[in-house]
Amino acid sequence: GAVVSQHPSWVICKSGTSVKIECRSLDFQATTMFWYRQFPKQSLMLMATSNEGSKATYEQGVEKDKFLINHASLTLSTLTVTSAHPEDSSFYICSASAGTGATNEKLFFGSGTQLSVL
Amino acid sequence: DAKTTQPTSMDCAEGRAANLPCNHSTISGNEYVYWYRQIHSQGPQYIIHGLKNNETNEMASLIITEDRKSSTLILPHATLRDTAVYYCIVRVGYGNKLVFGAGTILRVKS
Repeated sequence: GAVVSQHPSWVICKSGTSVKIECRSLDFQATTMFWYRQFPKQSLMLMATSNEGSKATYEQGVEKDKFLINHASLTLSTLTVTSAHPEDSSFYICSASAGTGATNEKLFFGSGTQLSVL
Repeated sequence: DAKTTQPTSMDCAEGRAANLPCNHSTISGNEYVYWYRQIHSQGPQYIIHGLKNNETNEMASLIITEDRKSSTLILPHATLRDTAVYYCIVRVGYGNKLVFGAGTILRVKS
């Protein structure tokens, strides 16, 4: 299957600092990427959808100024957690699609980033 | 959006078939059923998807009822490495996003 690379795998930061997470599609062009977060023993929660070259669409309740998403190229999307606080500690996961829009298209996921804010 | 209902957890003996059920009674005619699994602290892994016909690949089989209101994922010979959370998802009719439910925790035991 297609490969989606996510970096870093884990990061520890101090409260108040910003953290950037990268998501790359290695062998296909991803016109659309999705960002999820997952708390321990819970399911994945969709945060936002990013389309290459346009502004991200955020799910209800997700602060767009807190979670900055940039999708500047067809192979890279970044999520920046700004002014991180301990409650932002979570497992962040990206997924990518070639963006055909077909409902039978597969989505492939990155391996996730564990963020711990001290 | 069509919702799915799955059992919270299931156990399966190693080497036996694991049958994971999913109800999706509000599914519409053009929505696909997807199955993903997530092993602890990893990203979800695609398993299989289907519309109305039964599907099989190297990982699993997907049996969809004729009325499409439910489906079953079958892992023919479960191994300890199949222990994971299994998510049954109906693809949202607009856009490409996948909305995850609670999933089924499958424990394969020796």
